[in-house]
Amino acid sequence: QSVLTQPPSVSGAPGQTVTISCTGSSSNIGAGYDVHWYQQLPGTVPKLLIYGNSDRPSGVPDRFSGSKSVTSASLAISGLQAEDEADYYCQSFDSSGFVVFGGGTKLTVL
Amino acid sequence: VQLVESGGGLVQPGRSLRLSCAASGFTFDDYAMHWVRQAPGRGLEWVSGIRWNSGGIAYADSVRGRFTVSRDNAKNSLFLQMNSLRPEDTALYYCAKGRLLATLVTAIDYWGQGTLVTVSS
Repeated sequence: QSVLTQPPSVSGAPGQTVTISCTGSSSNIGAGYDVHWYQQLPGTVPKLLIYGNSDRPSGVPDRFSGSKSVTSASLAISGLQAEDEADYYCQSFDSSGFVVFGGGTKLTVL
Repeated sequence: VQLVESGGGLVQPGRSLRLSCAASGFTFDDYAMHWVRQAPGRGLEWVSGIRWNSGGIAYADSVRGRFTVSRDNAKNSLFLQMNSLRPEDTALYYCAKGRLLATLVTAIDYWGQGTLVTVSS
């Protein structure tokens, strides 16, 4: 299983807000390492969505926001749209010296 | 930024394969680079990373001792030598660029399209 824990799936209706959690430990998120988030639309390569816990790359809508707290992080998507349906992954670094990903969360827009 | 992987294919268990990644559009020797894989229908799994000057290299436990990452900054190229391949190594292998200068401890801001490795007899 993955070092970072995400819910396998979340869902929401258009216009709603959904939140995806990412739970780590004292050796990764809790050690102060930043959390980053990626969006992978069906059949495409992952895309950086949030870096440094809460910063958005140019071009990413402000409907996407990230936060971090102690040993966990969250990605919130507000004003849900059909095109947001995708897999979402969190990523951080572990004190043991390697990059870690969450297992991924499939977002379904109802 | 462009990252183009090559070298994937069908290989028998226990054999070897060497992946390559040709990078362009950025100053290659300023950035750490990574290999990330994704098994069919599964999530992302980080495989290995290498700092800008090859002075820092890291591997996932699942590949340590079997895979070797390297880079040739003069040729803007990243490599992954994969030995003793197992069926569970079957995946799409992405070449990926670190966002911040020099360090492995950063987000990944660009991904290649991936090269498919299938390990099967």
